[in-house]
Amino acid sequence: DQQVKQNSPSLSVQEGRISILNCDYTNSMFDYFLWYKKYPAEGPTFLISISSIKDKNEDGRFTVFLNKSAKHLSLHIVPSQPGDSAVYFCAAKGSQGNLIFGKGTKLSVKP
Amino acid sequence: KAGVTQTPRYLIKTRGQQVTLSCSPISGHRSVSWYQQTPGQGLQFLFEYFSETQRNKGNFPGRFSGRQFSNSRSEMNVSTLELGDSALYLCASSLVGTVKELFFGSGTQLSVL
Repeated sequence: DQQVKQNSPSLSVQEGRISILNCDYTNSMFDYFLWYKKYPAEGPTFLISISSIKDKNEDGRFTVFLNKSAKHLSLHIVPSQPGDSAVYFCAAKGSQGNLIFGKGTKLSVKP
Repeated sequence: KAGVTQTPRYLIKTRGQQVTLSCSPISGHRSVSWYQQTPGQGLQFLFEYFSETQRNKGNFPGRFSGRQFSNSRSEMNVSTLELGDSALYLCASSLVGTVKELFFGSGTQLSVL
């Protein structure tokens, strides 16, 4: 059973607009979440993280929001750029310290 | 500082064979984790090694094994390969202690024919 879910396999956005990528989780014990970005033929690279004691974390154009009651987090990219086109993975830190990943959302930013 | 290095980059094997993949972590990182990425399943955790000991293990059959050497380099082995083992195998390293961020290599693309 999937503990971290990214229900949208793909998302297409116009350059300059906002991209919103969503992630749901089932385990209320998860206390640390991360977003990774992956280009083809490369490994995932860390983007931004959030601890469960916060509900928002910003880093430049990237903001992650956490709604613990809904077990939902989202990544906002503003403004979106063509170079942001990649697969985005949401991950939660499991009880044993390993990361549990969602299946990813492929973001396409059109010029 | 060099990143995580994985070799080989590509590998083609046939069913029933075995394969060994190699990973060199970032200098100073003592924890190495392995993940399997397939189009339908995303990234799935295989196992984690720390100080030459397997610390965590995912839900993969015993055909998947690994080890870590004293210099923190790690290898993973898959025996009796099946078609379904075709995937991108990613290695990631992190500093000691609680995992905050993993640093991934570019992966080894394994194709089983």
